Amino acid sequence: EAGVAQSPRYKIIEKRQSVAFWCNPISGHATLYWYQQILGQGPKLLIQFQNNGVVDDSQLPKDRFSAERLKGVDSTLKIQPAKLEDSAVYLCASSDRGWDGYTFGSGTRLTVV
Amino acid sequence: RKEVEQDPGPFNVPEGATVAFNCTYSNSASQSFFWYRQDCRKEPKLLMSVYSSGNEDGRFTAQLNRASQYISLLIRDSKLSDSATYLCVVRQTGANNLFFGTGTRLTVIP
Repeated sequence: EAGVAQSPRYKIIEKRQSVAFWCNPISGHATLYWYQQILGQGPKLLIQFQNNGVVDDSQLPKDRFSAERLKGVDSTLKIQPAKLEDSAVYLCASSDRGWDGYTFGSGTRLTVV
Repeated sequence: RKEVEQDPGPFNVPEGATVAFNCTYSNSASQSFFWYRQDCRKEPKLLMSVYSSGNEDGRFTAQLNRASQYISLLIRDSKLSDSATYLCVVRQTGANNLFFGTGTRLTVIP
C-alpha cells in the first residue's frame, strides 16, 4: 500500500513569512496527526484529526499555526508568520486504529532564516 | 517533568556487542509502550511494542516494569545496520496520541 505522502520535502523561508505543508494519509486511515520534531528532540504532537474533526490541538500554537483536514482525507498545516524557532521537521502520520499502527510520512524539513 | 526520559547517548559499540537502552515515563496511567527506530534524516518507524510480560523479536528484546515506570530495549549481536536513533514512546490511558522521548543514538562500529 502507498505510504503517507508529504510535500514539500524541504522549505527555506525568512522569518515572518508564511508557509504551508501538505499531507495525504494512507487511504482509509481515519486518524491523522501532525508532529513537530526539532533537531535533537523526539516528535511532539501538534494536532490530531479524526476524519475531518479535531481531536486534540492543545499543543498547537494557535496564534501562528493552523491546520485543516477537509473531507477527512488530505490535510494542510500552515504557519503564519514563521519564527526562527519553528525550524524543524514537520511529520504527518496516519492510523486506522486510533492510536496504534502509526505510519509516518517522510516529513517536511523547514528552515526559517 | 518530561513525559518520557531517555539517555540521549551516543552509544558507540563494536559489531557483535550487546547494548541496552533504558527509558522512564512519568505518568503511571500510561497504557501502551513502544520502541521506534529513526534513521538519520528519515521518519520514525515502529520497531516493536512493549508488553508487560516482555517480548522478543529476533535480536531485540523489550521489557516493561510498571512498578518502576521503566522500559528497556536490548539489542544482541549488534549489526552495522542497527545504527540509528531509538525512540521510547508511551501512550497514556484515554489518549490517542503518542509521547516520544528524545531518542538514544546508537552507532555500531566495524
